[in-house]
Formats: sequence, structure tokens, C-alpha cells
Amino acid sequence: IAGITQAPTSQILAAGRRMTLRCTQDMRHNAMYWYRQDLGLGLRLIHYSNTAGTTGKGEVPDGYSVSRANTDDFPLTLASAVPSQTSVYFCASSEMFATGELFFGEGSRLTVL
Amino acid sequence: AQKITQTQPGMFVQEKEAVTLDCTYDTSDPSYGLFWYKQPSSGEMIFLIYQGSYDQQNATEGRYSLNFQKARKSANLVISASQLGDSAMYFCAMREGSIRNFGNEKLTFGTGTRLTIIP
Repeated sequence: IAGITQAPTSQILAAGRRMTLRCTQDMRHNAMYWYRQDLGLGLRLIHYSNTAGTTGKGEVPDGYSVSRANTDDFPLTLASAVPSQTSVYFCASSEMFATGELFFGEGSRLTVL
Repeated sequence: AQKITQTQPGMFVQEKEAVTLDCTYDTSDPSYGLFWYKQPSSGEMIFLIYQGSYDQQNATEGRYSLNFQKARKSANLVISASQLGDSAMYFCAMREGSIRNFGNEKLTFGTGTRLTIIP
């Protein structure tokens, strides 16, 4: 049972470079999310998608973009990485009309130098 | 205002004792859900327990229970008979809005409490 797969698991990136974090789910969940986790700040929502073809901004969307071409994939792109985007990124999904429980990927640790 | 507040950045508890992790929330929506997640040092996020705002009884899952006090807007996690494996970061989270309405599944998280169980 794969659930949610994120790639890469870890990456060091030079500032100014473009980076795409990949996220794929096999649970056929409609909703998907990207959170970032920073020490002392918990998890903060970057972008979300309620269904394929739609996306929305979360609490900290600046510097990030997402797309949702199909149900399974929800990539997160940093167009020009900055050191403040150093973080652990979690992709998650949830079932429509359920409790809202999030199913998380393993996380992607990104370091921007 | 913070939607989810966890006031205990860190806690140390003796093994086999019960522990209560505090969580208060802020919402004006009558329909909402409250969650607790555990994050061990390996980093994965593990769902522990869920409480709906209309649930009459406190949720329980094995050694975990959620002490839901609606009037106080608090949703504390209680772990009975703590074990060394309970050492982890714990996050409280909230979903606002009815699950019957499409798009209300986003969760807002607190800043977490790091729990350390002492042998």
C-alpha cells in the first residue's frame, strides 16, 4: 500500500534555482494539500486542491505554485528558491465528505543555500 | 488570533504515567472537527484521534482519548500509561466547516508539543 509518495526525500538547492517537489497518491482522494513544517511554527498550508483542475492558496503561498492536472498528482514548484524556503514539505490528501483526516506523505526535506 | 493554540512546547513525563497535552481552538463555525497527530523522530505524521463538534462523547482510540470541552474550546489529548514509544512531537489540528460542504477539508495545525517519556 503506497498511499502518498513524495520525491525527492531530501534535496540541497542553490538559491535562485527552480525546484519541483513531486507528490503522487493512489487512494483516489479528491483533495490534496501541500504543507511546510518549520520549527516552532507547526505545519502551515501552502496550497491545496479540492479536485483535479482546481487549486487554491493556503496560508503561505508566496513563492510557490501548484498544478492539478489529474487526481493522482499534485506537484509543488518553487520558481526561484530562497533560503527562507528551507523547510520540510509534506504532501497530504483527504477523502471528500469524510472527517477531513489527512493522509500524509513521508515529507521532503529541502535546504536552500 | 491563532486558530489552534498549544501552549506546551515541551513536556517530560515518567514512563507509565498518564499525560495530558493541551489544545485550545478558536472558531465561530458551529461545525468543525479536531484532530491529533503524532510525529516521531523519523518524521512521518501519524493520525491518532478525531472529535467532531457535534459528537456527544469524548473520542477514544486505545490509550488515547480526547478531552473535549466545547464551552472552553479545548480539545486536550490524554495518553494513559505512557510508553517510551510515545516520545514524539504531537500536533493538534482543526477542520472548520461541515464535512457535507465540498472543500471544507483543510486543516489548521498548532505549533506542537514535544513529549519526552523518561524511563
